[in-house]
Formats: sequence, structure tokens, C-alpha cells
Amino acid sequence: GIQVEQSPPDLILQEGANSTLRCNFSDSVNNLQWFHQNPWGQLINLFYIPSGTKQNGRLSATTVATERYSLLYISSSQTTDSGVYFCAVLPGNNRLAFGKGNQVVVIP
Amino acid sequence: DAMVIQNPRYQVTQFGKPVTLSCSQTLNHNVMYWYQQKSSQAPKLLFHYYDKDFNNEADTPDNFQSRRPNTSFCFLDIRSPGLGDAAMYLCATSRGGLVDNYGYTFGSGTRLTVV
Repeated sequence: GIQVEQSPPDLILQEGANSTLRCNFSDSVNNLQWFHQNPWGQLINLFYIPSGTKQNGRLSATTVATERYSLLYISSSQTTDSGVYFCAVLPGNNRLAFGKGNQVVVIP
Repeated sequence: DAMVIQNPRYQVTQFGKPVTLSCSQTLNHNVMYWYQQKSSQAPKLLFHYYDKDFNNEADTPDNFQSRRPNTSFCFLDIRSPGLGDAAMYLCATSRGGLVDNYGYTFGSGTRLTVV
């Protein structure tokens, strides 16, 4: 099956810092989503981004489908940004494949 | 707001006692999914319904079953929970098909404890 690799696995940030999370995938996909899982376990959709660039407040994402990677940018990080960020891709079989996640801790 | 709702948020059940988790959606999506997520792991797909068609993953234990009585509701039944079934259970929906501009929407999850 398709492989989804996220880096870095763990990240500690000082509040106010910027960061970039990366997602590499091994095959062409119909869909790519970035999720944030908060400390209570809820998976919140950040971006639906099979290609191109999107921005939502302090977060933005870019997917280069031809090169099979996506980037999630966090600017001016806040403590509420802490949690696990998952990249998930949808190949042709209607089954979303998750990466192992980026554990982000933002310290005040 | 259209959404995916899971009840209850927290469920404690006894070893071997059947338990049912519920999921409802107001998105009118065709596909409903159940995922199991254990600590520090990515969500793992158990099964999904595309309309009324049930699709089981090959490695989903027989202990786990599902029902979808109508478009809006989907249930996860664990017939005889073991200690290893303690996890977060996530329900998700999607429109399905090749053209889907919205992706998956997840509920807030049910955290199951087995005692």
C-alpha cells in the first residue's frame, strides 16, 4: 500500500516561533488532508489540499502533487497549536492512509 | 452547523460486556467510517459503509461489527471487549466517489476504557 512519511516526528517550539512540517507519500493520490489532533483526541480538519497552496490564519499548506509531498507551515505559534498533526492521503481505493504524525509542543 | 456527532465522549465497559458506540451525521455523506486509535498511533480503519454496502478491513477482528440503519446513523458494536480494545474510536464521513472537494470529516471520538 501507499507509504506516508511525516517529519519531524517530534518538535518543541517556543511560543511565537515558526515551523514547517513535511509529508512525503509514495504514490499519486486523489486527496490529501492535514489534521490537528488536540489533547482531547479530536481530529480537526485543517486543510483539504490535493495540490496548490492554501492559507487559513496563521496556518498555510502547500502540496506539490507531482513531487509527492506536502508542507504545513505554522507561523507565530501559540500554545493552543500543541498536539499531533496528521497528514492523510487518499489513493484510488477510498481508504484514507495516515502518516504517523508530528507531535508538536509549544512552550510559553 | 453540519457535523459528525459521536456519543458518548467517554465510555467505560466491563471486560467481556458488549458495548455499542454511536455516530450520527448531518452532512448527508454517502460514506461512514470507523477508526480505532491507540495511544501514540495513527488511526486505523476498521470498516466503512458506502451507502448500505459494508466493507470490512481484512485485519479487523470478528469481535467488531457495525450497523448502518439509515444514512445518518452508524453504530460500532464490540461483542466481547478485551483489555486490548481500550482505545479512541473515531467516526468519519465523506462524500465518496472520485470527485470529492471536501475530504473526510471526523467526529470528536469516543474514548473507550475496559475494566
